[in-house]
Amino acid sequence: DAMVIQNPRYQVTQFGKPVTLSCSQTLNHNVMYWYQQKSSQAPKLLFHYYDKDFNNEADTPDNFQSRRPNTSFCFLDIRSPGLGDAAMYLCATSRGAIPTGTNYGYTFGSGTRLTVV
Amino acid sequence: TQLLEQSPQFLSIQEGENLTVYCNSSSVFSSLQWYRQEPGEGPVLLVTVVTGGEVKKLKRLTFQFGDARKDSSLHITAAQPGDTGLYLCAGGNTGGFKTIFGAGTRLFVKA
Repeated sequence: DAMVIQNPRYQVTQFGKPVTLSCSQTLNHNVMYWYQQKSSQAPKLLFHYYDKDFNNEADTPDNFQSRRPNTSFCFLDIRSPGLGDAAMYLCATSRGAIPTGTNYGYTFGSGTRLTVV
Repeated sequence: TQLLEQSPQFLSIQEGENLTVYCNSSSVFSSLQWYRQEPGEGPVLLVTVVTGGEVKKLKRLTFQFGDARKDSSLHITAAQPGDTGLYLCAGGNTGGFKTIFGAGTRLFVKA
């Protein structure tokens, strides 16, 4: 089955120690997104890639970086995790930009729950 | 800044009851989606609506997009324990990539 896979499902990292979360997709979708979801809050878009074109949200801290070496893989790097970065990180894909029709929606991975100690 | 507000935040009901949850904004969206998210998992797309006044049905779930495309509702008939989860609405605009999410309604259906 075509899907979006995130690894690991759970990640514990030390305060200030760099950590990388990974996402892979077999859907061959052009766009890959990273969202941060904290408890009882709306998922918040950090950035997205349209093919190799990187698009950062204005309020995404510099501490968060991303890489997309090929269509299938996308990585989220947190350079110096703080306690406030503990959250569920969701990777999502879409075929392209939002169209005028109804054939649109994200496919999400299962998420990586990050704990900072 | 576009925002989506969902209500209620929490809902606990008995199996067999009906319920409606709401998603409201002061902004117009060209596309609005509903997702269900189970604990420890990513959201799963339920439906996308794009036309003002549109009604879509998915088994016991009925989705409506407001005439002005600023709000939406999800009605569940005869809720079952399997309906338990976090219901998220999300909106975006044609040609863009950014989808705005609401904070969700957490539904618990007791057997």
